[in-house]
Amino acid sequence: DTEVTQTPKHLVMGMTNKKSLKCEQHMGHRAMYWYKQKAKKPPELMFVYSYEKLSINESVPSRFSPECPNSSLLNLHLHALQPEDSALYLCASSPPGQTNEKLFFGSGTQLSVL
Amino acid sequence: SQQGEEDPQALSIQEGENATMNCSYKTSINNLQWYRQNSGRGLVHLILIRSNEREKHSGRLRVTLDTSKKSSSLLITASRAADTASYFCATVRYSGNTPLVFGKGTRLSVIA
Repeated sequence: DTEVTQTPKHLVMGMTNKKSLKCEQHMGHRAMYWYKQKAKKPPELMFVYSYEKLSINESVPSRFSPECPNSSLLNLHLHALQPEDSALYLCASSPPGQTNEKLFFGSGTQLSVL
Repeated sequence: SQQGEEDPQALSIQEGENATMNCSYKTSINNLQWYRQNSGRGLVHLILIRSNEREKHSGRLRVTLDTSKKSSSLLITASRAADTASYFCATVRYSGNTPLVFGKGTRLSVIA
């Protein structure tokens, strides 16, 4: 299995909703990432988990809450989002010893906040 | 900012032609990577070149790195319609736990 699987593929939520994005990989990768990408812009790093511990938080607002329950799963909990948070949210992972060297990306969750 | 700048922002070529994209960056780096993204999809890692390397090849891809000019180029030879995508360079400043920073990207259109 050489895939990073993200669910759901599309999500529409109101500003008062609570939702979660899910990311799963079974490649034995121990670094996992969340990126945010606006249309026609490059991906921007949000969080990095290394061996299930949060290692980088790029000053992301607290309405985004990451969670890494085990080495295969990465969640992003969303609460009280703003319309400007609408974007493609990408999960990625990288092999041991190749942190930040070869990222495997999922197809993303297209999020719309109304 | 470490962020790379790709040049050109958009490129349109005929199938069979070569496509060259350039990337410039501002700080010293450990490595530079190129990724491809089809519209609305995830990114695919294409190739990594380290700061002590000058050129690498992978299939139809050729990447060069000039650390004195802080620039890299990606050459796709004999392009195909399936190469139509956005291409991003990404830099890592230090090895280990420093984040990958993506450039603004080049949108390549290959016309059949």
